[in-house]
Amino acid sequence: AQSVTQLDSQVPVFEEAPVELRCNYSSSVSVYLFWYVQYPNQGLQLLLKYLSGSTLVKSINGFEAEFNKSQTSFHLRKPSVHISDTAEYFCAVTPLNNAGNMLTFGGGTRLMVKP
Amino acid sequence: GAGVSQSPSNKVTEKGKDVELRCDPISGHTALYWYRQSLGQGLEFLIYFQGNSAPDKSGLPSDRFSAERTGGSVSTLTIQRTQQEDSAVYLCASRSTATNEKLFFGSGTQLSVL
Repeated sequence: AQSVTQLDSQVPVFEEAPVELRCNYSSSVSVYLFWYVQYPNQGLQLLLKYLSGSTLVKSINGFEAEFNKSQTSFHLRKPSVHISDTAEYFCAVTPLNNAGNMLTFGGGTRLMVKP
Repeated sequence: GAGVSQSPSNKVTEKGKDVELRCDPISGHTALYWYRQSLGQGLEFLIYFQGNSAPDKSGLPSDRFSAERTGGSVSTLTIQRTQQEDSAVYLCASRSTATNEKLFFGSGTQLSVL
């Protein structure tokens, strides 16, 4: 079984400031890792994912996340946030093996960007 | 109920058969979503219900897929003439538009088409 912990339920930050949204997971098997974003009044969208290869993955809108196997973390960062980044962010994992591809989500972190 | 409930948790079916997946959202939640996740992939949006408005069906992959939401509560996702590529985990989520936009997910239905 897998579990995902997002340590901060809300993160307030001023526009153009850097931000880090924390995600830690536990799993007995290797996993794929994802960050999803939900903008107000919209459904979930995939932001970025780590499947293999370089441990640093980037999205097209300036977010990046680094997979740290030893710390079982996949923190999401952005050096300078915009008002439009206000949303809820979900970290998720799914096991690599075929025993099941159930997606396990963290509880979500609400990013609130202030002018 | 306390959370979003989906049934069955696992479904194995033969290619060509029809399947129905059920979602019971949190009481009072007006918005309901269906997603699916295939092995190693991210979450794929399927359909979105909001109150009495016409559903957003833009994510349904083919006309074999349909969904209903009766009485603004329980939803059923139907897949007709299942194909092997339909094998995935189907997730339902709901949220309240009153004061809280947080999305609550069910535990999913793992569909295996043999």
